[in-house]
Amino acid sequence: GENVGLHLPTLSVQEGDNSIINCAYSNSASDYFIWYKQESGKGPQFIIDIRSNMDKRQGQRVTVLLNKTVKHLSLQIAATQPGDSAVYFCADRIDAGGTSYGKLTFGQGTILTVHP
Amino acid sequence: NAGVMQNPRHLVRRRGQEARLRCSPMKGHSHVYWYRQLPEEGLKFMVYLQKENIIDESGMPKERFSAEFPKEGPSILRIQQVVRGDSAAYFCASSTRGGDTGELFFGEGSRLTVL
Repeated sequence: GENVGLHLPTLSVQEGDNSIINCAYSNSASDYFIWYKQESGKGPQFIIDIRSNMDKRQGQRVTVLLNKTVKHLSLQIAATQPGDSAVYFCADRIDAGGTSYGKLTFGQGTILTVHP
Repeated sequence: NAGVMQNPRHLVRRRGQEARLRCSPMKGHSHVYWYRQLPEEGLKFMVYLQKENIIDESGMPKERFSAEFPKEGPSILRIQQVVRGDSAAYFCASSTRGGDTGELFFGEGSRLTVL
Protein backbone atom coordinates (compact mmCIF):
# COMPACT_ATOMS: atom_id res chain seq x y z
CA GLY A 1 0.00 0.00 0.00
CA GLU A 2 0.99 3.64 0.13
CA ASN A 3 3.78 4.22 2.56
CA VAL A 4 6.31 6.96 2.80
CA GLY A 5 8.57 6.70 5.80
CA LEU A 6 11.78 8.08 7.15
CA HIS A 7 14.81 6.25 8.47
CA LEU A 8 15.75 8.76 11.19
CA PRO A 9 13.26 10.59 13.34
CA THR A 10 15.80 13.15 14.62
CA LEU A 11 18.92 14.75 13.26
CA SER A 12 21.23 17.13 15.12
CA VAL A 13 23.92 19.05 13.28
CA GLN A 14 26.26 21.94 13.89
CA GLU A 15 25.73 25.22 12.11
CA GLY A 16 27.58 25.18 8.82
CA ASP A 17 27.47 21.42 8.41
CA ASN A 18 25.61 19.73 5.60
CA SER A 19 22.45 17.83 6.52
CA ILE A 20 21.00 14.79 4.84
CA ILE A 21 17.46 13.67 5.53
CA ASN A 22 16.32 10.37 4.12
CA CYS A 23 12.98 8.97 3.09
CA ALA A 24 11.76 5.63 1.76
CA TYR A 25 8.65 5.05 -0.25
CA SER A 26 7.03 1.80 -1.18
CA ASN A 27 4.79 2.43 -4.16
CA SER A 28 6.55 2.19 -7.50
CA ALA A 29 3.61 4.08 -9.05
CA SER A 30 4.62 7.25 -7.22
CA ASP A 31 5.47 9.86 -9.83
CA TYR A 32 6.08 13.03 -7.91
CA PHE A 33 7.89 13.77 -4.66
CA ILE A 34 8.04 16.84 -2.48
CA TRP A 35 9.94 17.93 0.57
CA TYR A 36 8.24 20.20 3.07
CA LYS A 37 9.54 22.09 6.08
CA GLN A 38 7.26 22.62 9.02
CA GLU A 39 8.12 24.95 11.85
CA SER A 40 6.40 24.70 15.18
CA GLY A 41 2.82 25.90 15.03
CA LYS A 42 2.89 26.52 11.30
CA GLY A 43 1.81 24.85 8.12
CA PRO A 44 4.11 22.89 5.81
CA GLN A 45 6.26 25.03 3.59
CA PHE A 46 7.31 23.79 0.17
CA ILE A 47 11.06 23.29 -0.20
CA ILE A 48 11.69 21.40 -3.40
CA ASP A 49 10.08 18.79 -5.61
CA ILE A 50 11.19 16.19 -8.10
CA ARG A 51 9.46 14.08 -10.71
CA SER A 52 10.04 10.40 -11.15
CA ASN A 53 11.77 10.94 -14.50
CA MET A 54 14.60 12.78 -12.73
CA ASP A 55 17.17 11.60 -10.22
CA LYS A 56 18.46 14.91 -8.95
CA ARG A 57 17.24 18.44 -8.60
CA GLN A 58 18.93 21.42 -7.00
CA GLY A 59 17.56 24.51 -5.40
CA GLN A 60 19.06 27.20 -3.26
CA ARG A 61 21.17 25.33 -0.68
CA VAL A 62 19.01 22.24 -1.12
CA THR A 63 19.29 19.19 -3.32
CA VAL A 64 16.85 16.34 -3.66
CA LEU A 65 18.04 12.95 -4.85
CA LEU A 66 15.71 10.22 -6.06
CA ASN A 67 16.74 6.60 -6.39
CA LYS A 68 13.86 4.74 -7.94
CA THR A 69 15.70 1.42 -7.88
CA VAL A 70 15.60 1.28 -4.10
CA LYS A 71 12.66 3.67 -3.71
CA HIS A 72 14.67 6.18 -1.74
CA LEU A 73 14.53 9.94 -1.54
CA SER A 74 16.88 12.29 0.24
CA LEU A 75 17.09 15.98 1.00
CA GLN A 76 20.49 17.57 1.32
CA ILE A 77 20.82 20.96 2.96
CA ALA A 78 24.14 22.70 2.49
CA ALA A 79 25.66 24.92 5.16
CA THR A 80 22.82 24.29 7.57
CA GLN A 81 21.70 27.30 9.56
CA PRO A 82 19.80 27.60 12.87
CA GLY A 83 16.82 28.83 10.87
CA ASP A 84 16.69 25.44 9.17
CA SER A 85 15.65 23.81 12.45
CA ALA A 86 12.22 22.33 11.84
CA VAL A 87 10.44 19.09 11.01
CA TYR A 88 11.01 17.93 7.46
CA PHE A 89 8.47 15.80 5.65
CA CYS A 90 8.74 13.94 2.41
CA ALA A 91 5.55 13.35 0.49
CA ASP A 92 4.68 11.50 -2.64
CA ARG A 93 1.88 11.39 -5.12
CA ILE A 94 0.71 8.41 -7.06
CA ASP A 95 -0.04 8.88 -10.74
CA ALA A 96 -3.79 8.34 -10.94
CA GLY A 97 -3.93 7.54 -14.61
CA GLY A 98 -3.45 11.07 -15.78
CA THR A 99 -5.69 12.66 -13.20
CA SER A 100 -3.04 13.35 -10.62
CA TYR A 101 -3.61 16.18 -8.24
CA GLY A 102 -2.57 17.31 -4.81
CA LYS A 103 -3.41 14.12 -2.97
CA LEU A 104 -0.14 13.52 -1.19
CA THR A 105 1.04 10.81 1.16
CA PHE A 106 3.28 12.22 3.86
CA GLY A 107 5.98 10.49 5.83
CA GLN A 108 6.22 10.81 9.61
CA GLY A 109 8.83 13.55 9.58
CA THR A 110 12.41 14.12 10.72
CA ILE A 111 13.20 16.69 13.37
CA LEU A 112 16.26 18.68 12.35
CA THR A 113 18.01 20.60 15.10
CA VAL A 114 20.85 22.93 14.18
CA HIS A 115 23.20 23.94 16.98
CA PRO A 116 24.99 27.27 16.70
CA ASN B 1 -0.92 38.45 -2.08
CA ALA B 2 -2.38 36.85 1.01
CA GLY B 3 -1.69 33.19 1.50
CA VAL B 4 -4.13 30.47 2.45
CA MET B 5 -6.16 31.75 5.36
CA GLN B 6 -7.57 29.43 7.95
CA ASN B 7 -9.74 30.21 10.93
CA PRO B 8 -10.06 29.76 13.71
CA ARG B 9 -6.42 29.03 14.48
CA HIS B 10 -7.41 27.35 17.71
CA LEU B 11 -10.74 25.83 18.59
CA VAL B 12 -11.80 24.10 21.78
CA ARG B 13 -14.92 21.97 21.81
CA ARG B 14 -16.51 19.60 24.28
CA ARG B 15 -17.42 16.10 23.24
CA GLY B 16 -20.63 16.06 21.24
CA GLN B 17 -20.35 19.63 19.97
CA GLU B 18 -19.78 20.67 16.39
CA ALA B 19 -16.59 22.12 14.94
CA ARG B 20 -16.47 24.27 11.82
CA LEU B 21 -13.15 25.07 10.25
CA ARG B 22 -12.86 27.59 7.46
CA CYS B 23 -10.36 27.97 4.67
CA SER B 24 -9.97 30.76 2.16
CA PRO B 25 -7.62 29.69 -0.64
CA MET B 26 -5.02 31.92 -2.18
CA LYS B 27 -6.34 34.42 -4.67
CA GLY B 28 -6.85 32.75 -8.01
CA HIS B 29 -6.83 29.22 -6.57
CA SER B 30 -9.89 27.12 -7.17
CA HIS B 31 -8.62 23.81 -5.82
CA VAL B 32 -8.73 23.13 -2.08
CA TYR B 33 -7.45 20.22 -0.05
CA TRP B 34 -7.92 19.37 3.60
CA TYR B 35 -5.35 17.41 5.57
CA ARG B 36 -5.32 16.26 9.18
CA GLN B 37 -2.22 16.02 11.32
CA LEU B 38 -2.18 14.11 14.57
CA PRO B 39 0.56 14.96 17.10
CA GLU B 40 4.01 13.86 15.94
CA GLU B 41 2.69 12.44 12.70
CA GLY B 42 2.66 13.44 9.09
CA LEU B 43 -0.31 14.96 7.37
CA LYS B 44 -3.09 12.68 6.13
CA PHE B 45 -5.18 13.58 3.11
CA MET B 46 -8.88 14.01 3.80
CA VAL B 47 -10.64 15.61 0.87
CA TYR B 48 -10.11 17.49 -2.39
CA LEU B 49 -12.65 20.03 -3.55
CA GLN B 50 -13.20 22.41 -6.38
CA LYS B 51 -15.87 25.08 -6.37
CA GLU B 52 -19.19 23.38 -5.58
CA ASN B 53 -17.72 19.93 -6.19
CA ILE B 54 -16.14 17.24 -4.06
CA ILE B 55 -13.57 15.54 -6.24
CA ASP B 56 -12.03 13.04 -3.85
CA GLU B 57 -13.17 12.38 -0.30
CA SER B 58 -11.41 9.07 0.11
CA GLY B 59 -9.63 10.25 3.26
CA MET B 60 -12.70 11.49 5.05
CA PRO B 61 -14.17 9.44 7.89
CA LYS B 62 -17.51 8.02 6.80
CA GLU B 63 -19.45 9.59 9.61
CA ARG B 64 -19.57 13.02 11.26
CA PHE B 65 -17.19 14.70 8.80
CA SER B 66 -18.24 16.76 5.82
CA ALA B 67 -16.66 19.38 3.60
CA GLU B 68 -17.88 21.94 1.15
CA PHE B 69 -16.47 24.64 -1.10
CA PRO B 70 -19.35 26.85 -2.17
CA LYS B 71 -19.39 29.13 -5.16
CA GLU B 72 -18.95 32.08 -2.85
CA GLY B 73 -17.07 32.05 0.41
CA PRO B 74 -14.53 29.84 2.08
CA SER B 75 -14.28 26.09 2.15
CA ILE B 76 -15.73 24.59 5.32
CA LEU B 77 -14.70 21.41 7.09
CA ARG B 78 -17.43 20.40 9.49
CA ILE B 79 -17.11 17.86 12.25
CA GLN B 80 -20.28 16.90 14.03
CA GLN B 81 -20.47 15.36 17.50
CA VAL B 82 -16.75 15.68 18.07
CA VAL B 83 -14.86 13.07 20.05
CA ARG B 84 -11.45 13.30 21.69
CA GLY B 85 -9.86 11.45 18.82
CA ASP B 86 -10.74 14.36 16.55
CA SER B 87 -8.20 16.51 18.37
CA ALA B 88 -5.64 17.39 15.71
CA ALA B 89 -4.34 20.12 13.49
CA TYR B 90 -6.37 20.52 10.31
CA PHE B 91 -4.57 22.04 7.38
CA CYS B 92 -6.00 23.44 4.24
CA ALA B 93 -4.02 23.76 1.04
CA SER B 94 -4.85 25.32 -2.28
CA SER B 95 -3.47 25.22 -5.79
CA THR B 96 -4.11 26.82 -9.13
CA ARG B 97 -4.96 23.58 -10.81
CA GLY B 98 -5.66 20.04 -9.89
CA GLY B 99 -3.70 18.12 -12.44
CA ASP B 100 0.01 17.72 -12.74
CA THR B 101 1.91 19.40 -9.99
CA GLY B 102 1.29 22.97 -9.15
CA GLU B 103 2.60 23.59 -5.72
CA LEU B 104 0.25 23.18 -2.86
CA PHE B 105 0.23 26.19 -0.60
CA PHE B 106 -0.68 25.32 2.95
CA GLY B 107 -2.37 27.47 5.53
CA GLU B 108 -1.20 27.77 9.13
CA GLY B 109 -3.75 25.22 10.27
CA SER B 110 -6.63 25.07 12.71
CA ARG B 111 -5.88 23.27 15.93
CA LEU B 112 -8.88 21.52 17.36
CA THR B 113 -8.89 20.39 20.96
CA VAL B 114 -11.77 18.26 22.17
CA LEU B 115 -12.26 18.18 25.92
